[in-house]
Amino acid sequence: DAKTTQPTSMDCAEGRAANLPCNHSTISGNEYVYWYRQIHSQGPQYIIHGLKNNETNEMASLIITEDRKSSTLILPHATLRDTAVYYCIVRVDQTGANNLFFGTGTRLTVIP
Amino acid sequence: ETGVTQSPTHLIKTRGQQVTLRCSSQSGHNTVSWYQQALGQGPQFIFQYYREEENGRGNFPPRFSGLQFPNYSSELNVNALELDDSALYLCASSLGVRGGAEAFFGQGTRLTVV
Repeated sequence: DAKTTQPTSMDCAEGRAANLPCNHSTISGNEYVYWYRQIHSQGPQYIIHGLKNNETNEMASLIITEDRKSSTLILPHATLRDTAVYYCIVRVDQTGANNLFFGTGTRLTVIP
Repeated sequence: ETGVTQSPTHLIKTRGQQVTLRCSSQSGHNTVSWYQQALGQGPQFIFQYYREEENGRGNFPPRFSGLQFPNYSSELNVNALELDDSALYLCASSLGVRGGAEAFFGQGTRLTVV
């Protein structure tokens, strides 16, 4: 599975959009981009995933560049409860939690 | 709440001992994955069980083993504990090979080896 690069940490003001970038320049054509987050002392939580097209759900939006070498997770109106470590993962299959490579992620702090 | 429960929540063991951690998957989920998360690191994949068979394994030695039961609950066993085995152990349940991408993680078991 392709490696990803994420900033170590980011801050965001409460109520503003949080834009979390991820580089995956070696992604293959059949690899999906996944985002999970881990709030302190909890297990990781699935957020969203996509292949080529932009995706949106009740939690977030995922914007994937046309060349698929990078993506951005957008939390449209960040709240204090969104403070967490966010992991960008790329992988071939879509089978649940099988062989997810989490890396070290981006620590997002939402500031009041 | 994800419906995935792990027990115990905390555990202290001595080096060389054996430990069994337990996971009850979300209702209807037939696949369980186990992860190890060292302090300050992201979770690392240990293995996955689907319909009581191991169907994927990460870079962990054979002293890490598991079981899945007919009700899809699962155990993680670690023999000959080492100090570096101290970590948060997470399990995740999902709908398996055709069930799609979403997986639900439990709160984890914090294992300390002294």
